[in-house]
Amino acid sequence: EAGVVQSPRYKIIEKKQPVAFWCNPISGHNTLYWYLQNLGQGPELLIRYENEEAVDDSQLPKDRFSAERLKGVDSTLKIQPAELGDSAVYLCASTQGDEQFFGPGTRLTVL
Amino acid sequence: QKEVEQNSGPLSVPEGAIASLNCTYSDRVSQSFFWYRQYSGKSPELIMSIYSNGDKEDGRFTAQLNKASQYVSLLIRDSQPSDSATYLCAVNNNNDMRFGAGTRLTVKP
Repeated sequence: EAGVVQSPRYKIIEKKQPVAFWCNPISGHNTLYWYLQNLGQGPELLIRYENEEAVDDSQLPKDRFSAERLKGVDSTLKIQPAELGDSAVYLCASTQGDEQFFGPGTRLTVL
Repeated sequence: QKEVEQNSGPLSVPEGAIASLNCTYSDRVSQSFFWYRQYSGKSPELIMSIYSNGDKEDGRFTAQLNKASQYVSLLIRDSQPSDSATYLCAVNNNNDMRFGAGTRLTVKP
């Protein structure tokens, strides 16, 4: 069974540029999460989807971040415009039941 | 107070020793508890889940849960250099998953 797929794996952009990350969860997993992880910290939730509905986006900086999961399967997270402080690893995870499985992450560097 | 707290470490143990990792959480209604291992530059990997008070053993790993004390621990027996990683404690309440900052473990040959 394929795991959670994310792309790209690495992205380097200049500040004020837009960037998008893509995630395809494990087949059949209805719950999808986007996390941000800074060095030396645990994953911090940005947004959680149950199927196509965003059920928790309280930590998403909505002035610059947006996300969608139109058909309840794959999802896209966008940042526009990016700031220096957005440099981090962006992790996607999916769950069926309680156990959560992570994708490889996208390492974003904003110059 | 952070929702999930872990000793930041680093924790260093000799090869073959027992490594003990601790975690406390603040939400009393949390339902399920997890330990993830994260190697440097990699994403978290689920290694243990525990749902009820007591111990749960899986190979060299034992998870312990005490809901009254809001405490979760992970014991790694016969530690190996390949166990060197950051261990993340996670607490779940109705799909709301919260992570600690992680404890960095080094197992010295």
